[in-house]
Amino acid sequence: GENVEQHPSTLSVQEGDSAVIKCTYSDSASNYFPWYKQELGKGPQLIIDIRSNVGEKKDQRIAVTLNKTAKHFSLHITETQPEDSAVYFCAASAGTSYGKLTFGQGTILTVHP
Amino acid sequence: EAQVTQNPRYLITVTGKKLTVTCSQNMNHEYMSWYRQDPGLGLRQIYYSMNVEVTDKGDVPEGYKVSRKEKRNFPLILESPSPNQTSLYFCASKGWGGTGDEKLFFGSGTQLSVL
Repeated sequence: GENVEQHPSTLSVQEGDSAVIKCTYSDSASNYFPWYKQELGKGPQLIIDIRSNVGEKKDQRIAVTLNKTAKHFSLHITETQPEDSAVYFCAASAGTSYGKLTFGQGTILTVHP
Repeated sequence: EAQVTQNPRYLITVTGKKLTVTCSQNMNHEYMSWYRQDPGLGLRQIYYSMNVEVTDKGDVPEGYKVSRKEKRNFPLILESPSPNQTSLYFCASKGWGGTGDEKLFFGSGTQLSVL
């Protein structure tokens, strides 16, 4: 089955700096890669996703890149703000309906004012 | 308001006492799923359902049961809970997120402690 590894487990940055979180996956059939943000006491929320026919996707201050050959994808947050502090999860799924979605271990991001 | 509702939010029980965690969504989604979240392990999928009466195992189904008798509800059943099932549980449903792509909507979670 799919295995997703996420690094780092914790990340501390100063406000305004960039943050990068990286994930690798094992199943070459995976074709959907979402990123979730989980704030304290809440369920995860989708912040951005990418499909395997695209190499990069941006949405304002966040971007995701995908390298299918190396089987890794990354989340980039620019101009970080204290409200970006949260736990971030990457995930991977094969198939158009992503019945099975495998998550990474999570990254605790802390943005210091 | 479109949402996924889990109950209860917190639950303390004892080993072997059957329990059910309810999950309901009001978005008419066909797909629903259960996850458990443990420190350092991320979210692991327990069971998922592609539609009514269609369920399948995720990565960690042992010790759990689910049923999908109607589209809106997807309860998680622990027939004989054990301490290693102490965890934070999330229910999710999948539907269109308004941006042209499907997305998972998560409930607020159920913190379960099995003594």
